[in-house]
Amino acid sequence: EPEVTQTPSHQVTQMGQEVILRCVPISNHLYFYWYRQILGQKVEFLVSFYNNEISEKSEIFDDQFSVERPDGSNFTLKIRSTKLEDSAMYFCASSTKGPRDEQFFGPGTRLTVL
Amino acid sequence: AQSVTQLDSHVSVSEGTPVLLRCNYSSSYSPSLFWYVQHPNKGLQLLLKYTSAATLVKGINGFEAEFKKSETSFHLTKPSAHMSDAAEYFCVVSDWELTFGTGTRLTIIP
Repeated sequence: EPEVTQTPSHQVTQMGQEVILRCVPISNHLYFYWYRQILGQKVEFLVSFYNNEISEKSEIFDDQFSVERPDGSNFTLKIRSTKLEDSAMYFCASSTKGPRDEQFFGPGTRLTVL
Repeated sequence: AQSVTQLDSHVSVSEGTPVLLRCNYSSSYSPSLFWYVQHPNKGLQLLLKYTSAATLVKGINGFEAEFKKSETSFHLTKPSAHMSDAAEYFCVVSDWELTFGTGTRLTIIP
């Protein structure tokens, strides 16, 4: 069964450093998303991406964040200058028909900022 | 704006007894509603979804949920709990982006 994959599973970085979180969505999906879950808090929407551009983004998704689909398979989330409060689990998801359709989630990347 | 409220942060039931996880939602439009489950150190897995078809939705692992527009509720039920059901459950509403509830941790007592 096709699944969303994410790498790395755990990323540790120093405050101020740049990180790139990688995702491989399901191959025939057209919509891609990033979510984050700070420890003990609920899952929060960050951004959605369709047709090679951002379709929606939340207030969390400020100028330090960017997303890219550099090739036909990968979908990346870049955090330019990490802060302590960026420590969280980051989930990638994809869907075929848009946000109102079922989204398939990856296992997540745990980001720890020291 | 859309929102979702999970009424219980923690539910404990004995194995073999019914499960009820409560969810109320608020949406400006006719929403899509989902229940996702998250097992420890795992990703989010879809249990079931409502997208304006039948109001009683059946999902995986014996779970089902009933959409009640008059009550703006979408409670998750299962007739008989199994030890493997122990996990965190999220009620989710979608007008455009997914909005997650705060989650309900389900504990199964042997």
